[in-house]
Amino acid sequence: AQSVTQPDIHITVSEGASLELRCNYSYGATPYLFWYVQSPGQGLQLLLKYFSGDTLVQGIKGFEAEFKRSQSSFNLRKPSVHWSDAAEYFCAVGVRGNTGKLIFGQGTTLQVKP
Amino acid sequence: DGGITQSPKYLFRKEGQNVTLSCEQNLNHDAMYWYRQDPGQGLRLIYYSQIVNDFQKGDIAEGYSVSREKKESFPLTVTSAQKNPTAFYLCASSVGTDPQPQHFGDGTRLSIL
Repeated sequence: AQSVTQPDIHITVSEGASLELRCNYSYGATPYLFWYVQSPGQGLQLLLKYFSGDTLVQGIKGFEAEFKRSQSSFNLRKPSVHWSDAAEYFCAVGVRGNTGKLIFGQGTTLQVKP
Repeated sequence: DGGITQSPKYLFRKEGQNVTLSCEQNLNHDAMYWYRQDPGQGLRLIYYSQIVNDFQKGDIAEGYSVSREKKESFPLTVTSAQKNPTAFYLCASSVGTDPQPQHFGDGTRLSIL
């Protein structure tokens, strides 16, 4: 069965430091992969997606992610974190089979220190 | 601007009461979804609908019901059979049924009185 694991529940980084959020997936074929961000009390906003092609994907707000098939990973990165990046981040994998369903990881909460 | 509107933002339920959460989209999306979010558990799928007048159970459908009479609307009813309804509920939509990005509303927080 498909699954998504985000190993880090909480991460704290200093403002201006680099960031990497980990995501591992379990899937039998080439996955459709997504990263979302959620501010407190809000819905989820799409940061970026990977369907095929170039394994380094650029997203909004200066985020990027790299698909590594050999490691079943899709880690999210940002070279310099801003205080406004403090939020919860979710990785998701799309389920094939014409349902449109996504399976979400448990989320990583990012805290940014001044 | 197109988007998804969820209402109300906060909702309180008495014991034994059914409550309905509204979800409306003007994105002309075919597929719509309801998720429940609890701290530390990510998003869990309750119900989804790929087309008007059709819907399927997700992973945690017990105690919930939905309808899809119009393309734009996908209301969720939390019934009295749902014994632990306190959670944040998110509605989403997507263009079609291939894996596509889902667009989310701002959620409804349901609490028990």
